[in-house]
Amino acid sequence: DAGITQSPRYKITETGRQVTLMCHQTWSHSYMFWYRQDLGHGLRLIYYSAAADITDKGEVPDGYVVSRSKTENFPLTLESATRSQTSVYFCASSEFGQGSSYSYNSPLHFGNGTRLTVT
Amino acid sequence: AQKVTQAQTEISVVEKEDVTLDCVYETRDTTYYLFWYKQPPSGELVFLIRRNSFDEQNEISGRYSWNFQKSTSSFNFTITASQVVDSAVYFCALSEAEGNNRLAFGKGNQVVVIP
Repeated sequence: DAGITQSPRYKITETGRQVTLMCHQTWSHSYMFWYRQDLGHGLRLIYYSAAADITDKGEVPDGYVVSRSKTENFPLTLESATRSQTSVYFCASSEFGQGSSYSYNSPLHFGNGTRLTVT
Repeated sequence: AQKVTQAQTEISVVEKEDVTLDCVYETRDTTYYLFWYKQPPSGELVFLIRRNSFDEQNEISGRYSWNFQKSTSSFNFTITASQVVDSAVYFCALSEAEGNNRLAFGKGNQVVVIP
C-alpha cells in the first residue's frame, strides 16, 4: 500500500551510540521532514528536504544528520546519542502543490513515529 | 519567524458538550497556510484541515468547524456535541508560502471527553 513508513517503531540505545531512524514514502512526494515530539514542546522540526540531495536544517538540528540520495528515503542519524534525544520522532512527506498558475503548500502526511529511548 | 500559540494545554468536557480550541499565529508573510492536526491516543498524526490566508470563509465538516479571522490572527476549532472518540491532542500549525512546506506547530491542546 502507498504511504509513509518509519522503522523501527521502538528503539532503545545507549548514550554515545550511533542510531539511524528510517523513513520511506511511496508517493514520490518532493518534500520530506523529520520532527521530534516532546512533552511541553509540541512538534519541532529537525531537518527537511525539498528534493533528493537537497536538505536543510530546521529548528533543532544539533546532533542529527540526514541524507536523501533517493526521493523515497530520508534517514535520520543520531551520530552520538544523548539522553536529551529521547523522544518520539515523526517523519512526514508532502507533495509540491502546483495549480495552473500558482503553487500552494500541501498538507504533511506523517508516519506512525519512532519512540527512541537513550539510556 | 512564524509562531503558533495554543494557550490551553488540557481541556476536559463532558460528552455532548461543545469545545473550542484557540489558535493564534504570527507571521510576516501575506501568503500562508493554517492547518489543524489530530493526534489520538494511538499516536498517529491525522490531517484535519488546511486554510490559506486568502480564504477567510469559515468551514464546517460534520461536528467540526473552523473560524478563521485574519484581523485577530486566529484560527479556532470547535467540536460540537463532543464524543469520547474526540479525545486526542489537537495541533494547530502554520506554513508560510516561501517556507518549503515546513510546518510550525503549536504545543497542542489535550482534549479529554468524559463519558
